[in-house]
Amino acid sequence: KNQVEQSPQSLIILEGKNCTLQCNYTVSPFSNLRWYKQDTGRGPVSLTIMTFSENTKSNGRYTATLDADTKQSSLHITASQLSDSASYICVLRGNQGGKLIFGQGTELSVKP
Amino acid sequence: GAGVSQSPSNKVTEKGKDVELRCDPISGHTALYWYRQSLGQGLEFLIYFQGNSAPDKSGLPSDRFSAERTGGSVSTLTIQRTQQEDSAVYLCASSFGPAGGPVQETQYFGPGTRLLVL
Repeated sequence: KNQVEQSPQSLIILEGKNCTLQCNYTVSPFSNLRWYKQDTGRGPVSLTIMTFSENTKSNGRYTATLDADTKQSSLHITASQLSDSASYICVLRGNQGGKLIFGQGTELSVKP
Repeated sequence: GAGVSQSPSNKVTEKGKDVELRCDPISGHTALYWYRQSLGQGLEFLIYFQGNSAPDKSGLPSDRFSAERTGGSVSTLTIQRTQQEDSAVYLCASSFGPAGGPVQETQYFGPGTRLLVL
């Protein structure tokens, strides 16, 4: 079983709509949790980062939440734009070492 | 440059050949990471360099894979006797370092090298 599971695997929404992407993890304890956005053919770009003690973090239209009790994080995108079409990756850093643990990503497609 | 650069951007090679992939990290970043991303798969950690410390090679899938970082800056990932299953996007990332908080450890990714082994 993957240590970081994301859902849904893919999602199609209409421009202007909101959406929420889920990330369930088993890594515990962990140092921080990040959400990355990866455009097609590009490297990932960091959107938000939360330590284990934080509950929410916003970056413009992106809001990430963290529930340490249920070991879940979500990324909420408000008023989606065509440029939001990308893969969104949930990443955890464990307390030991320098490695990050990546989810497989959610492929979001925003249609006009 | 302002970001992490990688070369070549695309590489097509025959099975059994050796390939070298290059990564130029952001100036001043002491940490450098190599990842592999196969089609439809998540990012897979390969190797991690931090300053002058011995690299963490625990993610390298076989002894055909090796990497070095010269002068604490440029890194080269070498794949010997390439196999078709090596086909993937190889991503390099750098950061100020693993410690000191989220700002310092935020990784900045390069555009990747798309490797196709025929």
